[in-house]
Amino acid sequence: NAGVTQTPKFQVLKTGQSMTLQCAQDMNHEYMSWYRQDPGMGLRLIHYSVGAGITDQGEVPNGYNVSRSTTEDFPLRLLSAAPSQTSVYFCASSFRTGTGELFFGEGSRLTVL
Amino acid sequence: GQQLNQSPQSMFIQEGEDVSMNCTSSSIFNTWLWYKQDPGEGPVLLIALYKAGELTSNGRLTAQFGITRKDSFLNISASIPSDVGIYFCAGHPRDNKLIFGAGTRLAVHP
Repeated sequence: NAGVTQTPKFQVLKTGQSMTLQCAQDMNHEYMSWYRQDPGMGLRLIHYSVGAGITDQGEVPNGYNVSRSTTEDFPLRLLSAAPSQTSVYFCASSFRTGTGELFFGEGSRLTVL
Repeated sequence: GQQLNQSPQSMFIQEGEDVSMNCTSSSIFNTWLWYKQDPGEGPVLLIALYKAGELTSNGRLTAQFGITRKDSFLNISASIPSDVGIYFCAGHPRDNKLIFGAGTRLAVHP
């Protein structure tokens, strides 16, 4: 049982480049979400999904897109990377929406030059 | 937007000491949760609280959901070196957007 798998673990981008952070879970979880972690600011919610085909914005959605075509996968797309998007990104899932009982991936560290 | 105020920001204690940290919000929360993050890893759930006044233990950890539904605390008794890490409170306001505090960084001196 792999849990929540994120790829890549590390990525360096130039300003203006686009990329996709992949997230997959094998626990048949209904709820999936993306957070970014910056020093001194905790974890901030970017986007979340309560099921396949349903996504919604979190606290800091600007500059990011998501889709949920299957229960298992929830990719995060950076459309035009900016230095302000340098951060550690975490994907998290839970069996049911609203419990807050999240399983986190190991994180993806992104640097935008 | 919603904010959680978590304190203290950091603690440096001796092994064997008890630890207390708390989280407050300006609005009512429906759930309170506590997570721990080890270096280079994602956070892991420690305790989840769903009812005002609820007191729950997990080994040496004890957490309470404040009666006003605007605060929660986490206590760690008899700290050990592996307690080192960042502790986050998290909570649900009335929607599905789980939000996190800024974290309490704990260092334990052997």
